[in-house]
Amino acid sequence: DIQLTQSPSSMSASLGDRVSLTCQSSQGIGNYLSWYQHKPGKPPKPMIYYATNLADGVPSRFSGSRSGSDYSLTISSLESEDTAIYYCLQYDEYPYTFGAGTKLELK
Amino acid sequence: QIQLVQSGPELKKPGESVKISCKASGYTFTDYAMHWVKQAPGKGLKWMGWINTYTGKPTYADDFKGRFVFSLEASASTANLQISNLKNEDTATYFCARYGYYSAHWYFDFWGPGTMVTVSS
Repeated sequence: DIQLTQSPSSMSASLGDRVSLTCQSSQGIGNYLSWYQHKPGKPPKPMIYYATNLADGVPSRFSGSRSGSDYSLTISSLESEDTAIYYCLQYDEYPYTFGAGTKLELK
Repeated sequence: QIQLVQSGPELKKPGESVKISCKASGYTFTDYAMHWVKQAPGKGLKWMGWINTYTGKPTYADDFKGRFVFSLEASASTANLQISNLKNEDTATYFCARYGYYSAHWYFDFWGPGTMVTVSS
């Protein structure tokens, strides 16, 4: 199975900070990686698909990028509503796999 | 608008069975696959598999082969997840998620609110 390693596992940042979360794949998945924001009691919310495409309705402060097998989700200016757990998901091959998540909190 | 509505929370005993439903509205049900995702308490997300809503063919991740069954009531635009011989480790929230198509790419674009299943004697 493809392993996705997310780093850091948790982090805290201040309002207005630029934040980058990373997801490293154990093997090639092309751009078949998406990011989801998950808040307690809610379903996951799609943020980025196909590595770099912004999902519908997602603020433009979010962006996705790829460098080789490393994928990043960047928030250009952190807002309070962005606190959540962020998961990456590879959907290149079965079984689809999620990373363990990065918990993002406000400092 | 597109919605996925899941059935309510369930409390079951070990060995019992449970059936969770996911009713879709706002789009043509058979045009998009439905996936299932598990989240155990305090844990991350785990992909369980998916069902082709046009053919009814299910695909299961290895950890979900045997006691788990994906099915459809296509006339009711509903996907179901049935778990038999429940175990304590099945205690989790189960999400259905539509596999949508945008700009020539696929991803899980709409999610149900989740159904909490608690297995306890």
